[in-house]
Amino acid sequence: NAGVTQTPKFRILKIGQSMTLQCAQDMNHNYMYWYRQDPGMGLKLIYYSVGAGITDKGEVPNGYNVSRSTTEDFPLRLELAAPSQTSVYFCASSYLGYLDGYTFGSGTRLTVV
Amino acid sequence: DQQVKQNSPSLSVQEGRISILNCDYTNSMFDYFLWYKKYPAEGPTFLISISSIKDKNEDGRFTVFLNKSAKHLSLHIVPSQPGDSAVYFCAASATGANSKLTFGKGITLSVRP
Repeated sequence: NAGVTQTPKFRILKIGQSMTLQCAQDMNHNYMYWYRQDPGMGLKLIYYSVGAGITDKGEVPNGYNVSRSTTEDFPLRLELAAPSQTSVYFCASSYLGYLDGYTFGSGTRLTVV
Repeated sequence: DQQVKQNSPSLSVQEGRISILNCDYTNSMFDYFLWYKKYPAEGPTFLISISSIKDKNEDGRFTVFLNKSAKHLSLHIVPSQPGDSAVYFCAASATGANSKLTFGKGITLSVRP
């Protein structure tokens, strides 16, 4: 099983550019999440989804958008990239929510210059 | 405001000894707690969890203790092994929170051979 796959692994963006971080899971999980981790900080929730067609904001949603058209995919869109969005982004999924833990992807390291 | 606090950024222990990682929380609505382990360049992996109806949960070398009155939990690793060297995140969730997790900043554990 591939688990949770994130692409790309690394990316450098210029200020004002846009990009989509891809996240796919093959475990038929309903719950999916996007977190960001800044240096020396914990993971902060950006957006989450409890099923296809349902998304909601987390703690730090500004500057991001998501969609969940299928159970498998949960892309994160960055519009007008800013240096404050330099971070490592993790996608996670779960079948039972927190009760069975999350399965995380390996992350996307994004630098905005 | 940090709802999940891991106040010690790092811990170094000798191989074979006990590692004790601490975590405090402020939100009294939290009723489920998890520990994640993270190696460099990888996503976090679920380690162990505990519900607020229990005060202890054990899984092999890993034991989590919960003190609800003190809003404190700890992860004990016995015996510690060099492969346990990683960043450990404490996380918490509340029933009805759509399984969203709130993470602490993490503790870097180094186990010396």
